[in-house]
Order: sequence, then structure tokens, then C-alpha cells
Amino acid sequence: QVQLQESGPGLVKPSQTLSLTCTVSGGSISSDIHYWSWIRQPAGKGLEWIGRIHSSGSTSNSPSLKSRVTISVDTSKNQFSLKLSSVTAADTAVYYCAREEYHILTGLILHDYWGQGTLVTVSS
Amino acid sequence: SYELTQPPSVSVSPGQTASIPCSGDSLGDKYASWYQQKPGQSPVLVIYQDNKRPSGIPERFSGSNSGNTATLTISGTQAMDEADYYCQAWDSSTVVFGGGTKLTVL
Repeated sequence: QVQLQESGPGLVKPSQTLSLTCTVSGGSISSDIHYWSWIRQPAGKGLEWIGRIHSSGSTSNSPSLKSRVTISVDTSKNQFSLKLSSVTAADTAVYYCAREEYHILTGLILHDYWGQGTLVTVSS
Repeated sequence: SYELTQPPSVSVSPGQTASIPCSGDSLGDKYASWYQQKPGQSPVLVIYQDNKRPSGIPERFSGSNSGNTATLTISGTQAMDEADYYCQAWDSSTVVFGGGTKLTVL
């Protein structure tokens, strides 16, 4: 059973960089068919996809956040990470990491395993 | 950018059938997935590839997708099905979620 666990600071000051890590257990992050995603959810609102990474290092990010997002992977630790720069109060949300199955030729996308989520608050 | 539209809320009586629509331009040409999220919990995949159920998801959950609308159907709705439901699709290599629908079982 694959498990994902987010970790990182719960409080970030405005204009600083939010940094989170997701540790994957019960399976290898180096799977050929899987990508690894970050998704966030402001309180009382819907889900917003932030971006994905493959173990090869290939990434894709949301156009609305693209310039502020960096996603990286450390296969030796079975971890992947998110950095979101120049944060504001609008970035306050629960951040989830998830395993993504993505078939580029068919457009099939699904997220079958999710972390428990971690609340990040942007405040001075 | 691509958008998926869901009604904010749907109500259903226990034992009845609930239908939750998700609309988007030519959505039927894409694959739709659905997620269930209960308060304080992470989302759970309940339907993928329009109408497939992951292991462990009850048979009462089904899906369809045609034209501009994907629909999640819950037959014989139970109190435990009360939750937020999100549709999801892919567009230009990015993931798009609908705004979510709160299903109330009255």
C-alpha cells in the first residue's frame, strides 16, 4: 500500500518561499508510469492542481502558478518537494501530495493515492 | 484556460439516486475522474476514465461522459455518501478540477 506524507513549516511569512517535502513509502518513486503531484485547497474552497514531476525530472506546472513553482525529486530518498516563491495570504491552504497516473497519449489522468495534507498559513 | 463547472450543491433522500453533473467544453472528448472528500479528510478517487471504479469503491458509484457533461451517479445513496465531490479532467498537459459539489443526504 503506497503512502504519502507531507512535511514542512506550517507558517510562512509573506514574500518568502514555501517549502514542502512529500515522502513516499510502500512503493518506489521511480515508477515509469507514475508522476507525483502537488495539489492545494484553501479553507472552504476547491482543489487546485499545482504541478507534477516524474522520477526522470520532467515537470509540468499550473499556468497560473508556473513562474513561482519549483518541483524537484530525490529518488535516493523516495521524496519529492515543492517550492512556491513570493507567497501571499492567498497561498494559505492545505497542501496535498498525491500519486498521479498520467497517460499523455490518451489524456487519462487520475490521482489514486493522497497524503493527509498539511496546512500552510502565510502570515507575518 | 479550460474550466469545469459543477453545481454547488445537490440533495438526495436516502436510498434514492443522486446525479452530480460536471460540464466543460467538449468534455466528452476527454477522460473524467471523480473524487469524494469528507470533512477533514483527503480526497478519495471514486471514478476514473469516465466510468471505472477503483478497487474498494462500492458498485453504487458509476459515471458517464458525453458531449459537454460528465455525470457521477450514486444509486441507493447512503448517509455515508454525504461529502463533497470533485470532477477532474486534463487539458494541455495540466490537471483541471471542477469547483466541487456538496452532496447532502436528507
